[in-house]
Amino acid sequence: DTGVSQDPRHKITKRGQNVTFRCDPISEHNRLYWYRQTLGQGPEFLTYFQNEAQLEKSRLLSDRFSAERPKGSFSTLEIQRTEQGDSAMYLCASSSGGMANEKLFFGSGTQLSVL
Amino acid sequence: AQSVTQPDIHITVSEGASLELRCNYSYGATPYLFWYVQSPGQGLQLLLKYFSGDTLVQGIKGFEAEFKRSQSSFNLRKPSVHWSDAAEYFCAVGPVSGGYNKLIFGAGTRLAVHP
Repeated sequence: DTGVSQDPRHKITKRGQNVTFRCDPISEHNRLYWYRQTLGQGPEFLTYFQNEAQLEKSRLLSDRFSAERPKGSFSTLEIQRTEQGDSAMYLCASSSGGMANEKLFFGSGTQLSVL
Repeated sequence: AQSVTQPDIHITVSEGASLELRCNYSYGATPYLFWYVQSPGQGLQLLLKYFSGDTLVQGIKGFEAEFKRSQSSFNLRKPSVHWSDAAEYFCAVGPVSGGYNKLIFGAGTRLAVHP
């Protein structure tokens, strides 16, 4: 079990640029989640995949955000035309599914700073 | 509206002292309840969870939590704190129905431990 890995760990970008983050879940996990955590707050749900299907998107995920999980393995989260308000820690989590109460395994996150 | 409240932003205790972190929730029905811990540079780690049955649940690292339906609370406790327990602690709730783990997190309580 190598855990959930996220890349990069840190990203600094200028306002208006596009950024893409990658998440590699635990290999046998079919469920993948993205959360966003701003300073002083708890994580907020962004989106959820079961295998390659994106089954829910939060209203927090504006049309500048897009997430994919091709082939049901790794996932990418892209933010277009970044804004300063996008600065946050972006967390990925995975689980083996089956029930709503299954344990989530979180990655260490990608810290985004938009200047 | 669904929400989780952690009234204490920061708590400082001496090593060896007991600890209680408070959590109150607002939800349409009794949800699944979780406590996660986040150490610097680490991903969120599940400490314990409550689904049903015994209202006192045991977790990892010597932590326990008690669900009180009448108070909509799920407070985390530890009888004797170790210096390594210094971290940020998040209470979260999740839906009983829906089939996946869309969690609502509190804002967190940062724990400092004095030697």
